Amino acid sequence: NAGVTQTPKFQVLKTGQSMTLQCAQDMNHEYMSWYRQDPGMGLRLIHYSVGAGITDQGEVPNGYNVSRSTTEDFPLRLLSAAPSQTSVYFCASSYSRQAGQEKLFFGSGTQLSVL
Amino acid sequence: RKEVEQDPGPFNVPEGATVAFNCTYSNSASQSFFWYRQDCRKEPKLLMSVYSSGNEDGRFTAQLNRASQYISLLIRDSKLSDSATYLCVVNLPTDSWGKLQFGAGTQVVVTP
Repeated sequence: NAGVTQTPKFQVLKTGQSMTLQCAQDMNHEYMSWYRQDPGMGLRLIHYSVGAGITDQGEVPNGYNVSRSTTEDFPLRLLSAAPSQTSVYFCASSYSRQAGQEKLFFGSGTQLSVL
Repeated sequence: RKEVEQDPGPFNVPEGATVAFNCTYSNSASQSFFWYRQDCRKEPKLLMSVYSSGNEDGRFTAQLNRASQYISLLIRDSKLSDSATYLCVVNLPTDSWGKLQFGAGTQVVVTP
């Protein structure tokens, strides 16, 4: 049981480039999400999905797109990278967001640098 | 005011000692609370869930004080392996699903 698989682990981009961070889970989790983590700040929610075909914005969605075509996959796309997007990104999933089922399982993270 | 606040530390703790730290939250309607552990440059992992007044798991005890709107984490008989950042997470009742809000973390350093 692999859990949450997130790739790549490291990425360097130039300003204006685009890329996709991949996230897949094999636990049949309903809820998937993307967070970014910056020094001195808590994890901030970028986008989330409560099921295939359903996505919504978190607190810092600008500059990012997501899609959820299958239960397993939830890629995060950076449309035109900016230095402000330099961060560590985590994908996370849970069985649901209902009370008692919110335990989040995280991917191993992506260290992204935008020059 | 941040929705979830933590003392960033570091809390320097001798091996074998007890350490405790708090997390305050602003929304009095919050019902679910969690402590996650994050090792340097690694992903967070759930340490404890708190749905009522508290929870205990071995050397770790979490307490919830609804009146003062904080949760605490106490680590007894600290081990070197307890060195990590501890993230407080509060489920905010924004809608029927809720929203998980993360604190910035409290760093604990256990020294020999």
